[in-house]
Amino acid sequence: GAVVSQHPSRVICKSGTSVKIECRSLDFQATTMFWYRQFPKKSLMLMATSNEGSKATYEQGVEKDKFLINHASLTLSTLTVTSAHPEDSSFYICSARRPRNEQYFGPGTRLTVT
Amino acid sequence: AQKITQTQPGMFVQEKEAVTLDCTYDTSDPSYGLFWYKQPSSGEMIFLIYQGSYDQQNATEGRYSLNFQKARKSANLVISASQLGDSAMYFCAMREGTRANAGGTSYGKLTFGQGTILTVHP
Repeated sequence: GAVVSQHPSRVICKSGTSVKIECRSLDFQATTMFWYRQFPKKSLMLMATSNEGSKATYEQGVEKDKFLINHASLTLSTLTVTSAHPEDSSFYICSARRPRNEQYFGPGTRLTVT
Repeated sequence: AQKITQTQPGMFVQEKEAVTLDCTYDTSDPSYGLFWYKQPSSGEMIFLIYQGSYDQQNATEGRYSLNFQKARKSANLVISASQLGDSAMYFCAMREGTRANAGGTSYGKLTFGQGTILTVHP
């Protein structure tokens, strides 16, 4: 069964609004979670590393004021897309690493900004 | 420089036959891990197999095996007895070890290849 969940799975919002995406590790504690973005038929691009209890680490070129990440507990990380624009439309996927080496991904959230 | 390279944008295989998906990587870190994921049209990323750089034997998981050739820096995925449900996008990924991320909060991040779309024909 799924070990990482994401909510919502799909969201449509109007330009200028903010959208929050939740990522939960279901049966293990994850001190570190990762947020990826994927365009159609393209690879996953890491946006940021979410650290429980501290600030997220953003990859080069990712606007931290636009993509707010909060890792409030060992099982929950949230990504908020602020003042969304159509170019933010994408597939967003989170992942969490288990204490062993496996890294599991959430089912993804498809964001459409109109 | 590309760290993970998948040179096959698309592959076709007949049902019940074996198929090899290529992956080469580049790292100077002696400690790293290699992963393969399957992404069906639903979008979820399904973990298939893992190979550590210090593992002596090639990893196997059911019909999946990883042909790990360290000197060549390749980690090809072999799927035996292909099934129609194997049709999907496949990604190779690498996680470099502690030296590259010493003390850094990015420890554990995966770098992905471009992906290979596998189509299994009946």
